Amino acid sequence: DSGVTQTPKHLITATGQRVTLRCSPRSGDLSVYWYQQSLDQGLQFLIQYYNGEERAKGNILERFSAQQFPDLHSELNLSSLELGDSALYFCASSVGLAASTDTQYFGPGTRLTVL
Amino acid sequence: SQKIEQNSEALNIQEGKTATLTCNYTNYSPAYLQWYRQDPGRGPVFLLLIRENEKEKRKERLKVTFDTTLKQSLFHITASQPADSATYLCALEAGGSYIPTFGRGTSLIVHP
Repeated sequence: DSGVTQTPKHLITATGQRVTLRCSPRSGDLSVYWYQQSLDQGLQFLIQYYNGEERAKGNILERFSAQQFPDLHSELNLSSLELGDSALYFCASSVGLAASTDTQYFGPGTRLTVL
Repeated sequence: SQKIEQNSEALNIQEGKTATLTCNYTNYSPAYLQWYRQDPGRGPVFLLLIRENEKEKRKERLKVTFDTTLKQSLFHITASQPADSATYLCALEAGGSYIPTFGRGTSLIVHP
């Protein structure tokens, strides 16, 4: 158990809909990262928040947005969903800013299926 | 273009042998490289980090090497066990972004 929690575990929805994925980082971790993992793309970095502020952006679509709240939990909002958005979405947390040197702790993921 | 290459074919080995997985990269100059383990349907788990000025790092049965001239990292599991069966991902820092970029991973299957 990494100490990172994600809800829900599974989500099935239709094209055009909007969903919210939630992540609670490990106690004491200030950074939250969101990743998307699909069979054809591998693990792709979407966005990082550190202590409530956006710090880095990866391959995140404009239809996707995220935020980190004062209690440090984070939400990833996906809107106007398309079939291609079906994937595993992982949240990770770390103590500091630099995931390349900090240990990232990954949550169990949310499996999103868009029908 | 930048590439991180891990063998897409699964590596099958017998229990007790040493498994060696390869991570090659092009058009990167990473200061750090990480290895993760991922079980099906679960999040990656951090295993080891190696810096560019370190040739080798060990942790229990795991050993990682980092050759910046060859642009390659090797990941070894000695005395492999069926419980080591998983996908292993390498991740490297790209251009000072502080966010590692992940390879697609190599599946390791250890047969009893």
